[in-house]
Amino acid sequence: NAGVMQNPRHLVRRRGQEARLRCSPMKGHSHVYWYRQLPEEGLKFMVYLQKENIIDESGMPKERFSAEFPKEGPSILRIQQVVRGDSAAYFCASSPDIGASSEAFFGQGTRLTVV
Amino acid sequence: GNSVTQMEGPVTLSEEAFLTINCTYTATGYPSLFWYVQYPGEGLQLLLKATKADDKGSNKGFEATYRKETTSFHLEKGSVQVSDSAVYFCALTNSGGGADGLTFGKGTHLIIQP
Repeated sequence: NAGVMQNPRHLVRRRGQEARLRCSPMKGHSHVYWYRQLPEEGLKFMVYLQKENIIDESGMPKERFSAEFPKEGPSILRIQQVVRGDSAAYFCASSPDIGASSEAFFGQGTRLTVV
Repeated sequence: GNSVTQMEGPVTLSEEAFLTINCTYTATGYPSLFWYVQYPGEGLQLLLKATKADDKGSNKGFEATYRKETTSFHLEKGSVQVSDSAVYFCALTNSGGGADGLTFGKGTHLIIQP
């Protein structure tokens, strides 16, 4: 059973371009979470999705950022018109459910650099 | 809001030394507490967790006890190995299971020398 797969591992974008980060959850997992780690900071929660639904987006910036988890295919975190402050590591996690005993598994992350 | 403070790294120890990585938290209500580990080149893995006061989480020789009176969840291991070299993250959530709304510390880089 492959782990959570994120791609690309490294992404370089110029200011004003769009960045698309992909996350394929573990087989059988229907819950996906996105986190961002800025330099010298801990991971910060961004958004929690189930298939075709956003459950909690309390950590997502209101502008330029969006996330989806379609019925088929990976979850996508999309950043429009990137700025230098968006440079960070973006981690995705997945879990089979959200019961108290449910464990979430994290991917290796995508490191976005905006130049 | 919730916050987690853990000791700055890197922490460098010799093999078989005793390890303590301090973690204290600020949270509303009764959060669940976690330690995650990130080995080089890999994603974060759940190391252990505790869901209520006085619970002790343990795994792979690591232990941490949920201390509500001191709002702490310090990670300990009696005898570390070179293979324990990694970054360790303390985290909490009020949201139950999964990874919804986890608040993480900044991470502590542990280096074990042979």
